[in-house]
Amino acid sequence: GESVGLHLPTLSVQEGDNSIINCAYSNSASDYFIWYKQESGKGPQFIIDIRSNMDKRQGQRVTVLLNKTVKHLSLQIAATQPGDSAVYFCAEESQAGTALIFGKGTTLSVSS
Amino acid sequence: DTEVTQTPKHLVMGMTNKKSLKCEQHMGHRAMYWYKQKAKKPPELMFVYSYEKLSINESVPSRFSPECPNSSLLNLHLHALQPEDSALYLCASSHRGRYNEQFFGPGTRLTVL
Repeated sequence: GESVGLHLPTLSVQEGDNSIINCAYSNSASDYFIWYKQESGKGPQFIIDIRSNMDKRQGQRVTVLLNKTVKHLSLQIAATQPGDSAVYFCAEESQAGTALIFGKGTTLSVSS
Repeated sequence: DTEVTQTPKHLVMGMTNKKSLKCEQHMGHRAMYWYKQKAKKPPELMFVYSYEKLSINESVPSRFSPECPNSSLLNLHLHALQPEDSALYLCASSHRGRYNEQFFGPGTRLTVL
């Protein structure tokens, strides 16, 4: 079946460190992935996306890496700030292309 | 306007009540979604509307009834809910088709007593 999961439920880093959040997916036919950030009491907020014809995409302070061989997705946050503290979800577009399937989420805690 | 709005922010209802959740977007998106999110869990898809027609119902109990009156509005009618239905209900919208990010609203925090 289709499923997207994350390796670690929590990640704690110091301000200024680089953070890496990982996600494993099971559907080799998936070809679109998104990372969302969800702060407490808010809806998920788009961070960055990547299509399967790419293996890396960069945004502002964030980079998404896609390894289709091992079905692995990661989000790298450079110079992590306290405002980055949130739950991070990877999501995979369903085969029908009509909805997103979310992974379990990783809670990122950034201490000053 | 790149925002999805949801009302109310919080809702407390009894098991015999009838209430509605509302969602609105003015981004010209023709796909709209309802998700349910329990604490510390990922959002779970409930319904998808495409061009104001219900295209996906993820085996949601009939006590949840979605409605899409027009391309900007999405409602979720609630009736005879159970305490286990307490959750954050998220609305999202996107352009129709593949490779389109979904924009999420802030959600309605629902408590069923």
